[in-house]
Amino acid sequence: GAVVSQHPSRVICKSGTSVKIECRSLDFQATTMFWYRQFPKQSLMLMATSNEGSKATYEQGVEKDKFLINHASLTLSTLTVTSAHPEDSSFYICSATDAGARAFFGQGTRLTVV
Amino acid sequence: GENVEQHPSTLSVQEGDSAVIKCTYSDSASNYFPWYKQELGKRPQLIIDIRSNVGEKKDQRIAVTLNKTAKHFSLHITETQPEDSAVYFCAVGGGSNYKLTFGKGTLLTVNP
Repeated sequence: GAVVSQHPSRVICKSGTSVKIECRSLDFQATTMFWYRQFPKQSLMLMATSNEGSKATYEQGVEKDKFLINHASLTLSTLTVTSAHPEDSSFYICSATDAGARAFFGQGTRLTVV
Repeated sequence: GENVEQHPSTLSVQEGDSAVIKCTYSDSASNYFPWYKQELGKRPQLIIDIRSNVGEKKDQRIAVTLNKTAKHFSLHITETQPEDSAVYFCAVGGGSNYKLTFGKGTLLTVNP
């Protein structure tokens, strides 16, 4: 299957700072990428759809000013958690969709805000 | 929007037995049905998928069946092994935006 790389895998930051997470499709171009949040022992909660060259589409209840998404190229989407607070601590994971509409996931990022 | 129900939430089987996980969905326009396996702390891995023009698909010990009329699909794992232990998610997609709606997951435990 296609390879999606996400970095960093773990990050600890202080409350009030911002954190950027990168999601790259390594061997294919992805016009659409997705960002999810996953709480322990729960399913994947879609946060936003990242479209190359256009604004992201956010799901209801997700603050667009809090979770900034940029999809500047066909292989890279970034998620920036701005002014992070302890309640933003979570597992964030991206996926990229290939030409066959199959979604492949990055390794995920464990964010801890202290 | 799409609503996906997945059952059971937990499933425990003996090694060598079969395991079946079922999902139902609400939007009859949905046409793509993948299954993902997620081990603890790792990324979901696509294990098999089926599209609406096919009723069944098999890949070694894994198979998926789809009933579009009833709007449900199932994952079948035969000859289970301890390394099959993980959380399995079904998902439903369709349309040009490739968005997937996930079920809540099934924790499968295969006892040696």
